[in-house]
Amino acid sequence: DTAVSQTPKYLVTQMGNDKSIKCEQNLGHDTMYWYKQDSKKFLKIMFSYNNKELIINETVPNRFSPKSPDKAHLNLHINSLELGDSAVYFCASSQDLVTDTQYFGPGTRLTVL
Amino acid sequence: QKEVEQNSGPLSVPEGAIASLNCTYSDRGSQSFFWYRQYSGKSPELIMSIYSNGDKEDGRFTAQLNKASQYVSLLIRDSQPSDSATYLCAVIRSSYKLIFGSGTRLLVRP
Repeated sequence: DTAVSQTPKYLVTQMGNDKSIKCEQNLGHDTMYWYKQDSKKFLKIMFSYNNKELIINETVPNRFSPKSPDKAHLNLHINSLELGDSAVYFCASSQDLVTDTQYFGPGTRLTVL
Repeated sequence: QKEVEQNSGPLSVPEGAIASLNCTYSDRGSQSFFWYRQYSGKSPELIMSIYSNGDKEDGRFTAQLNKASQYVSLLIRDSQPSDSATYLCAVIRSSYKLIFGSGTRLLVRP
């Protein structure tokens, strides 16, 4: 029973392509997140959704667009991929935004060639 | 100044010793504090959460919070080689964002 799942686990693509990463949680949580972990292992929040509503939108290029069709899903679409987008992207979920533990998915390693 | 600061390490301790990991944060309005462990190639997993000043113990782990000094620490007693990982300090700011430090790599020598 995977709590937070992401697909695909690995994604290798050419510069300029458009790609999507999917995330699903079966924990019944209200809040979902996308994080980016760069080559120096620094984990930084990108977006947060609460009950399908965008709550946090960090200074991320508008080539990145999150979409939440329902509370259990938060997908990340990336247009016109650039070399600097290569990183590991983690989805996470929590019951609330303030105090609750965040549970992370296994990550998607994106490599842009 | 980084919002959450940690020494990158590596912190090397012998098996059975106490490992002490430290973290400072800049936002005085921060209200929730977490320690996550991340093995190489894996996702972060929660070790401890702490919300009020003082100590919180869970098995071999003790988290310490001092809001006046804006300081959080994690003590690992009887360190095991399986504890070797990167430990991420994370803080929920007054803006409700979970901000991570860059992590401290811990090596426990057999």
